[in-house]
Amino acid sequence: EVQLVESGGGLVQPGGSLRLSCAVSGLSISDYWMAWVRQAPGKGLEWVANIKPDGTEKFYVDSVEGRFTISKDTAKNSMYLQLDSLRGEDTAVYFCVSGKTAHFFWGQGTLVTVSS
Amino acid sequence: QSALTQPPSASGSPGQSVTLSCTGTSSDVGDNNYVSWYQQLSGKAPKLMIYEVTKRPAGVPDRFSGSKSGNTASLTVSGLLTEDEADYYCSSYAGNNNVLFGGGTKLTVL
Repeated sequence: EVQLVESGGGLVQPGGSLRLSCAVSGLSISDYWMAWVRQAPGKGLEWVANIKPDGTEKFYVDSVEGRFTISKDTAKNSMYLQLDSLRGEDTAVYFCVSGKTAHFFWGQGTLVTVSS
Repeated sequence: QSALTQPPSASGSPGQSVTLSCTGTSSDVGDNNYVSWYQQLSGKAPKLMIYEVTKRPAGVPDRFSGSKSGNTASLTVSGLLTEDEADYYCSSYAGNNNVLFGGGTKLTVL
């Protein structure tokens, strides 16, 4: 059974930083594209970033480029999202997902709230 | 890039069929066959229902089917059940390793 478990969310002030983690079991992240998708309260889904299976290429939605960094640790079979220079509009549930063009597996999400 | 366009709501009675639309552009939906559909039950994570326009992951009932014509993709739910009431999101590969989602359609089973 594939499981993706996010952690690291919380309340942070504007301009602050957070690091989200995604622990994966039942699937080797070195074999799959992995990504982060977010959902603002009461809003739709938004793709945030993805990372190639070998970790050599990373891509971001324009609104987070230069502020967020996606990474992975294949030894721990885990993926991360470093969130810097956070803004109010970054408030959302962040989901860890597998896949590039279709997301077969999803975590339960972790809530990031940016507020003073 | 703008989000894909989905009607905010749709409804149907148990046993009926309903078709949800997802409109993009020639740079995304109309450019490839990487259209997916997700079902999100209230308070839950989304679940993949359709990928590559027409394919169903294991375990998804064949009451769910996908299609595409030009820049518009569609999800048809046949034989509606009350448990199908949920938000449905489409997504499409948009080139340059980007993925676009639609704004979502809230399906109500009357």
